[in-house]
Amino acid sequence: EAGVTQFPSHSVIEKGQTVTLRCDPISGHDNLYWYRRVMGKEIKFLLHFVKESKQDESGMPNNRFLAERTGGTYSTLKVQPAELEDSGVYFCASSQGQGGIAEAFFGQGTRLTVV
Amino acid sequence: RKEVEQDPGPFNVPEGATVAFNCTYSNSASQSFFWYRQDCRKEPKLLMSVYSSGNEDGRFTAQLNRASQYISLLIRDSKLSDSATYLCVVRDRAGGYNKLIFGAGTRLAVHP
Repeated sequence: EAGVTQFPSHSVIEKGQTVTLRCDPISGHDNLYWYRRVMGKEIKFLLHFVKESKQDESGMPNNRFLAERTGGTYSTLKVQPAELEDSGVYFCASSQGQGGIAEAFFGQGTRLTVV
Repeated sequence: RKEVEQDPGPFNVPEGATVAFNCTYSNSASQSFFWYRQDCRKEPKLLMSVYSSGNEDGRFTAQLNRASQYISLLIRDSKLSDSATYLCVVRDRAGGYNKLIFGAGTRLAVHP
């Protein structure tokens, strides 16, 4: 069975441009999470979808970040316009069941560099 | 104060050594506790859950002290393949749903 997949694996963009990251969770996992690790810091929670609904978006840094999960399947995270401080590794994770208490499986991440 | 604090290391140990990592968390209402392992440029992977009674998985032993809000991981008989970053992770409950709170990780380098 395929794990969590993320695309692209790397992205280098200029400040002010737009980038869209994609995450395909494990099939059947209702819970989908976005996390981010900026250089030298810990992995930080961004938001949590349950199916297509945003359950918790308390970690989203500002309104330049927009996450969607159409139809409760794959999710996209768009950064517009990108700033230098947005550079980092963006991880997606998914888990089964209610309440998000089951083991979360992570994708390999998208390494975003804003120059 | 960080929600989950870890010594960043690195811990440089020879093969066969025993090494211990510690972690503290700030939210006394935290519900579940884990150690994740992350290899260089890879995703975090669950190593083991941590229970109040302590639990062991082969060479790995995890302990939780709720009163002190302290978590530990002991690795015995270190192997070269144990070299990685070990992430202390706490599950907090907010608004009826759960999210994982990560420590910054402790780097372990096992050398021959």
